[in-house]
Amino acid sequence: DAKTTQPTSMDCAEGRAANLPCNHSTISGNEYVYWYRQIHSQGPQYIIHGLKNNETNEMASLIITEDRKSSTLILPHATLRDTAVYYCIVRAYNNAGNMLTFGGGTRLMVKP
Amino acid sequence: DAGVTQSPTHLIKTRGQQVTLRCSPKSGHDTVSWYQQALGQGPQFIFQYYEEEERQRGNFPDRFSGHQFPNYSSELNVNALLLGDSALYLCASSLGYEQFFGPGTRLTVL
Repeated sequence: DAKTTQPTSMDCAEGRAANLPCNHSTISGNEYVYWYRQIHSQGPQYIIHGLKNNETNEMASLIITEDRKSSTLILPHATLRDTAVYYCIVRAYNNAGNMLTFGGGTRLMVKP
Repeated sequence: DAGVTQSPTHLIKTRGQQVTLRCSPKSGHDTVSWYQQALGQGPQFIFQYYEEEERQRGNFPDRFSGHQFPNYSSELNVNALLLGDSALYLCASSLGYEQFFGPGTRLTVL
């Protein structure tokens, strides 16, 4: 699976949009971009995933560049409960079995 | 649906001992993966079980072994514990593209 690069930490004001970047310049054509987050002392939680089109769900939006070498996770109105470590992962999708390769992630601190 | 459950929550062992951690997947999920998360780092894949067989394995020594039962629940066994085995051990179950993680078992090796 392709390697990802994320900033170590970011701050965001409560109520503002949080934009978390991820670089995955070696991504292959069959690899999806996944985002998970891990709130302190809990297991990682799936947020969203995409291949090449922008995706949106009730939690977040995922913007993938046209060349697919980078992406941005957007939390439209960050709350204090969004404080967590956010992991960007790329992996090939054939079935649910593929392991997830986590990097260091981005520690997002949402401040009042 | 109770989600993925793990037991025990916390565990303290001494070097050289053996430990067994348990995981019950989400209802209907047939695939269970185990991850080790050292303090301040991302989770690292240990292995995955499907249909009671180990399907994938990460870069972990043979001291780490597992089992999956017919009801899809799973155990992780670690023999000859080292101080470096102290970590949060996460179990994840899956059926589709999304992996659901349990809260983890925190193992401390003294």
